[in-house]
Amino acid sequence: DTGVSQDPRHKITKRGQNVTFRCDPISEHNRLYWYRQTLGQGPEFLTYFQNEAQLEKSRLLSDRFSAERPKGSFSTLEIQRTEQGDSAMYLCASQGNTEAFFGQGTRLTVV
Amino acid sequence: GESVGLHLPTLSVQEGDNSIINCAYSNSASDYFIWYKQESGKGPQFIIDIRSNMDKRQGQRVTVLLNKTVKHLSLQIAATQPGDSAVYFCAEFLYNFNKFYFGSGTKLNVKP
Repeated sequence: DTGVSQDPRHKITKRGQNVTFRCDPISEHNRLYWYRQTLGQGPEFLTYFQNEAQLEKSRLLSDRFSAERPKGSFSTLEIQRTEQGDSAMYLCASQGNTEAFFGQGTRLTVV
Repeated sequence: GESVGLHLPTLSVQEGDNSIINCAYSNSASDYFIWYKQESGKGPQFIIDIRSNMDKRQGQRVTVLLNKTVKHLSLQIAATQPGDSAVYFCAEFLYNFNKFYFGSGTKLNVKP
């Protein structure tokens, strides 16, 4: 257990539906990242928060994706109008000074 | 973005032998590096990290070596065990870009 919790662990949704994932980072960590990982590939950066401020967004994060981190604690990642290409593992990581710890991820399957 | 790549996609070793997993990176400005282990269906698990001003760092059964001259990183696992079987990723971190860059991973198979 890394101390980073993600919910749900698995999500199956129909194409066109909206989904929301939650990440609870390690409490004293002020940096939070979202990554996406497809089979056989390394994680790809999506977005980064410093406390409650979203400071970086990847071009992978289309306008159907939105992430929030209210109050600088937990974070949510929402995908609207899901597409089959959104099927992937969505990973959250929290970082203190240097070490970054990942959660177990949310496996999204769009059917 | 910058690329981080691994030399060998699959590495098979005998239980008890030492394993060496290699990684090449392209950004000489990287501030530090992390090795992660990922088992099937799970998130990446932190193994060890090393700052860019260091050449070597040791942990429990693992050693990371950093050669900045040739932009090469390696992870050495001593007395490899079946539980070490997983995919290993190296990631480089740049404070200026606020993100980690991952390679595609090396799969380590430990034969009993």
